[in-house]
Amino acid sequence: GQNIDQPTEMTATEGAIVQINCTYQTSGFNGLFWYQQHAGEAPTFLSYNVLDGLEEKGRFSSFLSRSKGYSYLLLKELQMKDSASYLCAVRDNDQAGTALIFGKGTTLSVSS
Amino acid sequence: DAGVTQSPTHLIKTRGQQVTLRCSPKSGHDTVSWYQQALGQGPQFIFQYYEEEERQRGNFPDRFSGHQFPNYSSELNVNALLLGDSALYLCASSLWGDSRGYEQYFGPGTRLTVT
Repeated sequence: GQNIDQPTEMTATEGAIVQINCTYQTSGFNGLFWYQQHAGEAPTFLSYNVLDGLEEKGRFSSFLSRSKGYSYLLLKELQMKDSASYLCAVRDNDQAGTALIFGKGTTLSVSS
Repeated sequence: DAGVTQSPTHLIKTRGQQVTLRCSPKSGHDTVSWYQQALGQGPQFIFQYYEEEERQRGNFPDRFSGHQFPNYSSELNVNALLLGDSALYLCASSLWGDSRGYEQYFGPGTRLTVT
């Protein structure tokens, strides 16, 4: 079956660094995505990994190890506005179309 | 350039009723996917439409059906509503065959409450 696991909740303080882990077991693999979702709002795209390694984009970085079925999202210099749910999602095939399999999300609370 | 739009924003229905949700994709996109997001959960894929046909379907009963129009907009219909259908329904638009997939833009969602 398809399974994506990530911690339910995490807390951190302003200015700190936090790492949100995601493990996946899917029938196939064609890319891993991280989305940010503020309460009551639509998910917004943060990062995409399809090859092993680290992708850096400003304060956010994402890492992928396909052999381990593992990814993490690293957030640096945390700000209060980073308080949100972070969703890990996998696309499990290379056919046309972009349906994603999502994890349950990690709620991050940033305090001052 | 308008992003993905959905209507209505909120909806309250009674068990057994039927509901229709609407989505207009981002300009230039031709594919619409629908997701259901229960409170505290991640989005779950319902189905996807391209060229007015259902291309992929998730693990949802036949009570969930959809349609795509020639202008790429889409509707999600749910019949015989159950309390468990209460959720945020998200529409995501993309370009068919986009290999990177991250160009999937989500709309603000429709919050459906079934009483």
